[in-house]
Amino acid sequence: QVQLQESGAGLVKPSETLSLTCTVSGVSITRDYWSWIRQPPGKGLEWIGYIYHSGSTNYNPSLKSRVTISVDTSKNQFSLKLTSVTAADAAVYYCARMTVAGTFSLFDYWGRGALVTVSS
Amino acid sequence: DIQMTQSPSSLSASVGDRVTITCRASQSVANYLSWYQHKPGQAPKLLIYAASTLQSGVPSRFSGSGSGTEFTLTISSVQPEDFATYFCQQSYTTLSLTFGGGTKVEIK
Repeated sequence: QVQLQESGAGLVKPSETLSLTCTVSGVSITRDYWSWIRQPPGKGLEWIGYIYHSGSTNYNPSLKSRVTISVDTSKNQFSLKLTSVTAADAAVYYCARMTVAGTFSLFDYWGRGALVTVSS
Repeated sequence: DIQMTQSPSSLSASVGDRVTITCRASQSVANYLSWYQHKPGQAPKLLIYAASTLQSGVPSRFSGSGSGTEFTLTISSVQPEDFATYFCQQSYTTLSLTFGGGTKVEIK
């Protein structure tokens, strides 16, 4: 079955770079779109961006200047880098597969999430 | 950005109750609306897409309706395993996907 697993540093210092990786199993990453979504404590979900296996990306305009999503097809992984983090970036970060059913884009598989704390 | 507003933010229900959750969009999203269920410590689960299409494997007690700016998720007879947080998501603009704030369904 399809599984996604986030990994990476759970504690990041302010002004530094947050780095997370999502390892995908059960399906090849060379199809569909692969996304990052986050949820700050007590708040709703925020879409960060997605990448296609070709490397084409689309980012949330509010985060675009600080976000990079990349893909490693040889490892069936994709990654997130978020620069210049502040306390506002503390959240549970989810990776998810975004598939297209007809004209509808939907997140059909998600990871369990990785908690990232921002503190010196 | 299209803002998605859910109501209520939380509700209490007894097993067997009918539960309805509303999601409103700040502008029309046609039927580009999905619903997800999220339990603590678990991966969120897709329930419904295209406003009313049930994802494979999802029990038929879940249903979705609406179009334009107002949508509802209904659980016809809530079961113990349904106590969770539910959130909506629009994909009308894939350049800026947005989610609702979530509705927590708790046991009364």
